[in-house]
This record gives sequence, structure tokens and C-alpha cells, in this order.
Amino acid sequence: QSVLTQPPSASGTPGQKVTISCSGSSSNIGKNTVNWYQQFPGTAPKLLIYSNNQWPSGVPERFSGSKSGTSASLAISGLQSEDEADYYCAVWDDSLDGWVFGGGTKLTVL
Amino acid sequence: QITLKESGPTVVKPTQTLALTCAFSGFSLATDGMGVGWIRQPPGKALEWLALIYWNDDKRYSPSLKSRLTITRGTSKNQVVLAMTDMDPVDTATYYCAHNFGGRGAFDIWGQGTTVTVSS
Repeated sequence: QSVLTQPPSASGTPGQKVTISCSGSSSNIGKNTVNWYQQFPGTAPKLLIYSNNQWPSGVPERFSGSKSGTSASLAISGLQSEDEADYYCAVWDDSLDGWVFGGGTKLTVL
Repeated sequence: QITLKESGPTVVKPTQTLALTCAFSGFSLATDGMGVGWIRQPPGKALEWLALIYWNDDKRYSPSLKSRLTITRGTSKNQVVLAMTDMDPVDTATYYCAHNFGGRGAFDIWGQGTTVTVSS
């Protein structure tokens, strides 16, 4: 049972916009910034969004992040087949004094 | 360019202690703000953070695994070692080390991961 709650799956067709949610609490998302990771099968996770809504170098701006209260969201616009991957949110938890990850969302491009 | 690479045994027996090494380049763990963390992923499951060591030798551990984990700087200045005691088959996973900046900053660069199987 993850501290952060994500839907196990999401899907969309090419060109659509898809949103993945990440629900936390006042000790984690409510106090700290959220990061998002993208992971393809058999490979290491890659940082996709940091500090709620910032892009690391090389990440397309069709990936965007937002946060409100104790929830965060990752939006992917102009969905492409190569976006099919697992997505994880992560944030520092002040109560646990450590990092917590969401359970992950498997994105399928139909 | 920051790179990290994990190494260690691929198979350990139950009750044994696992020792994994993260060899990194492109940054110094002596520089303010730098950190190296360990994260694992059981087959088909989610990522789980394990431990983090900071530039000032401050350390943080997952509360659920704290009693079994020790993170230290390696014998080389560009290495971090994670030890996990009393290994169990449920600890079978891919173990990643990753660069962290700013204490609560993101894990921005990850190693390729090393797979550890716990089996008798």
C-alpha cells in the first residue's frame, strides 16, 4: 500500500490529452514539491517533471505537472505511442522523514 | 556528465547480508547539496525508496526497513555502499542508485540497476 495513491492504469488515443493523478497528504504533497518519473519496461526510471512543474533538459513540454493542496497531476498532451510507459509520482514526506513513491500508473496508448 | 552504476551479487541466500556498491562520476559527494539514494523495484511492482546519504554524511532510511539498512561512503571517494541484513525472498528486486541534489530535490540521474534474487 503506497503512501501516494495513483490510478493503476490510464489510456488514451494518439493526439489526446491524458491526466494521471497522485493523491497524498498534508505531510508530503501538502508540504513539499512533487516529482514525476517515466519508466519503460526493463529500464531505469527517468526524471520527467521536478518541483511540481519544471522540466529537466530534453523533456518535451507536452508533459506538464501541477499541484493543488494534497494532490498532484501529470498531464500528457498530444499523446504519442512512445509515451506508453509506467509513470510514478514521488515526494518527500516530513512525517516519515524520507521519500515516498506512488504505486505507479501504466499508460496505454490505444 | 553524471553517471552511476550499481554492482553486487546477483543471488543471495535467505538470512544473508546484501552489500551493493554504487560507483559514480561527474560529481563529488563532498560538494554541498549532493546526495546519493537507493531505490528498489520488485518484479512487476512499484518503486520503493530505501536510503539516502548526503554530502554532510547525514543519512535517511525508509522507516519500514531502517533496522536492516546501512548506507555509507565506500572506500573510494566516488562510491556509496548499501548493506541490507537478513535478506528474504520478498527482497528480490532490481536495486537502483540515483543522484539527488538539494536534500529534497529530485533523483535526477539513475543508474541502470542491478537485479538481486534471494533464493536458497
